[in-house]
Amino acid sequence: GDSVTQTEGLVTVTEGLPVKLNCTYQTTYLTIAFFWYVQYLNEAPQVLLRSSTDNKRTEHQGFHATLHKSSSSFHLQKSSAQLSDSALYYCALNTGYQNFYFGKGTSLTVIP
Amino acid sequence: NTKITQSPRYLILGRANKSLECEQHLGHNAMYWYKQSAEKPPELMFLYNLKQLIRNETVPSRFIPECPDSSKLLLHISAVDPEDSAVYFCASSPRDRGRSTGQLYFGEGSKLTVL
Repeated sequence: GDSVTQTEGLVTVTEGLPVKLNCTYQTTYLTIAFFWYVQYLNEAPQVLLRSSTDNKRTEHQGFHATLHKSSSSFHLQKSSAQLSDSALYYCALNTGYQNFYFGKGTSLTVIP
Repeated sequence: NTKITQSPRYLILGRANKSLECEQHLGHNAMYWYKQSAEKPPELMFLYNLKQLIRNETVPSRFIPECPDSSKLLLHISAVDPEDSAVYFCASSPRDRGRSTGQLYFGEGSKLTVL
């Protein structure tokens, strides 16, 4: 079946250092869309990045991700983490029929 | 996000009945109810498309959805259980008859605390 895997439950990084959150997926659909959602404390999830094009880098708010269908991955990266980046991050797959599959989430903590 | 409004934002229940309300102003055809328990991702409860119930996940029968029109969604809750304590998010996405890879937009959520 369709699924999304986020291997890290907790990530702690020092401010100014790079950060990478992993996301891999499994699906039989060819036309798909991927999202990274960010959820700040006591708020709703909101889209951070979106991609449906293989091997194309997408960027927003200093974060970037590239969908690699060959490795079934959509990792989220940032070159310099900020304190304000501390939040929950969810990778999500839309198989095209409005069925969204969420990973278990990664809690990112940026420390001074 | 004022494009999807939910009410009430907070509710504390014993064994009473209550309804959650949601309205979206995005013109989307698909509307969802998600439940998010602490430290967990959102879990789909119900999906409506054009007022028709498309997906009905394994949800206790005390949760009854209603979609009076394509922009409104209700969730009727009766005889709540402590395990129902969570945040309930309404969401919407664009969906036509064919496939659509649009994103999911969430409302602010309704936080339910069961005593």
